[in-house]
Amino acid sequence: DAGITQSPRYKITETGRQVTLMCHQTWSHSYMFWYRQDLGHGLRLIYYSAAADITDKGEVPDGYVVSRSKTENFPLTLESATRSQTSVYFCASSEGGLAGGEQYFGPGTRLTVT
Amino acid sequence: RKEVEQDPGPFNVPEGATVAFNCTYSNSASQSFFWYRQDCRKEPKLLMSVYSSGNEDGRFTAQLNRASQYISLLIRDSKLSDSATYLCAVTISGAGSYQLTFGKGTKLSVIP
Repeated sequence: DAGITQSPRYKITETGRQVTLMCHQTWSHSYMFWYRQDLGHGLRLIYYSAAADITDKGEVPDGYVVSRSKTENFPLTLESATRSQTSVYFCASSEGGLAGGEQYFGPGTRLTVT
Repeated sequence: RKEVEQDPGPFNVPEGATVAFNCTYSNSASQSFFWYRQDCRKEPKLLMSVYSSGNEDGRFTAQLNRASQYISLLIRDSKLSDSATYLCAVTISGAGSYQLTFGKGTKLSVIP
């Protein structure tokens, strides 16, 4: 039972390139989330999704695009990567309901934009 | 003022010690409260939810004080394996999205 996985785990890309980070969960959780974690800022929510085809912005959505055509997948795309998007990206999922705040995180993707 | 604030530490404590962390939140509409643990270069993992009546899980006790808008985490009989960063997180009522707002974390080092 893999739970929640992210790929790639490490990525180096150049400024201006499009990059897609993948997230897959096997629990059939309704809710999925993308966070970035930076020194001095902690974890910040980029986008979230309440169900397939339902997505909404979080605290820092600029420069990112998400989609959710299937419940189990929630890819995050950086349309034109910038150095400020160098970060560790975590995907998370949750059942919602009374357990909504109990989120389960993937192992993260370390992205470097040169 | 930040929505969720924590003392960044580090807290350096000897094995067997009792250590307590506090976390304050600014939004009185905050509804649910959690402690997460994050090991170095790893993902956050849910440690415990924090209930209004307080709750205990082994050596860990979490408390909520709504009047003063803070939550606390008490670790008794600290083990070397407790060394990690502890993140508090809150959700806002009415958001319907279960968005978590995290503090920046408190680093704990348990020393032999």
